[in-house]
Amino acid sequence: DVVMTQSPLSLPVTLGQPASISCRSSQSLVHSDGNTYLNWFQQRPGQSPRRLIYKVSNRDSGVPDRFSGSGSGTDFTLKISRVEAEDVGVYYCMQGTHPLTFGGGTKVEIK
Amino acid sequence: QVQLVESGGGVVQPGRSLRLSCAASGFTFSSYGMHWVRQAPGKGLEWVAVIWYDGSNKYYADSVKGRFTISRDNSKNTLYLQMNSLRAEDTAVYYCARDVIVVVPAANSFYYYGMDVWGQGTTVTVSS
Repeated sequence: DVVMTQSPLSLPVTLGQPASISCRSSQSLVHSDGNTYLNWFQQRPGQSPRRLIYKVSNRDSGVPDRFSGSGSGTDFTLKISRVEAEDVGVYYCMQGTHPLTFGGGTKVEIK
Repeated sequence: QVQLVESGGGVVQPGRSLRLSCAASGFTFSSYGMHWVRQAPGKGLEWVAVIWYDGSNKYYADSVKGRFTISRDNSKNTLYLQMNSLRAEDTAVYYCARDVIVVVPAANSFYYYGMDVWGQGTTVTVSS
């Protein structure tokens, strides 16, 4: 199974400042169809997960453009350009090879 | 609007059974693969099982294989998870989520696009 490792575990951020979360996979996520099925999810306190980014860098409908995804191969990053109060929560990366696996999560909190 | 609503959770003794349901609305249920994903208290997300859009393929996490069964009724727009021989470590919030499963026949493989719609979750507590 592909192991997804996120860092940091916890990320205290000042409002209005940028934030960056890293996700590494134990093997390349570039697949036979040429695509890389790497997603990012946000889970606000007490809520269900919500997909933010699919296929590395594509934002889902309604996701603010302060969220961006990048990376390739085994190294991926989620960036928040200017953190807002509503961004508090836990962020997970997920890879789409069977069996799909999630990273352990990164908790974003306001300093 | 597009919606998934889980039900059927509760408190159950170890070794007993429970069946979860997930009612879909607002989209063509029969066109999507469906997952169950769980989250133990204070923990991260764990994939549990997936079923193809037409029910033709089903896969399970090793932790539930042989005890849980995923199924769907496309005429009722409903997904199910039959959970038998429950253990304390199955205690979690269970989410259903829809997905697009990409099949690559030339490579004899398939991939998950990633869950774009999630339900609100239903809580299962296994305790004596």
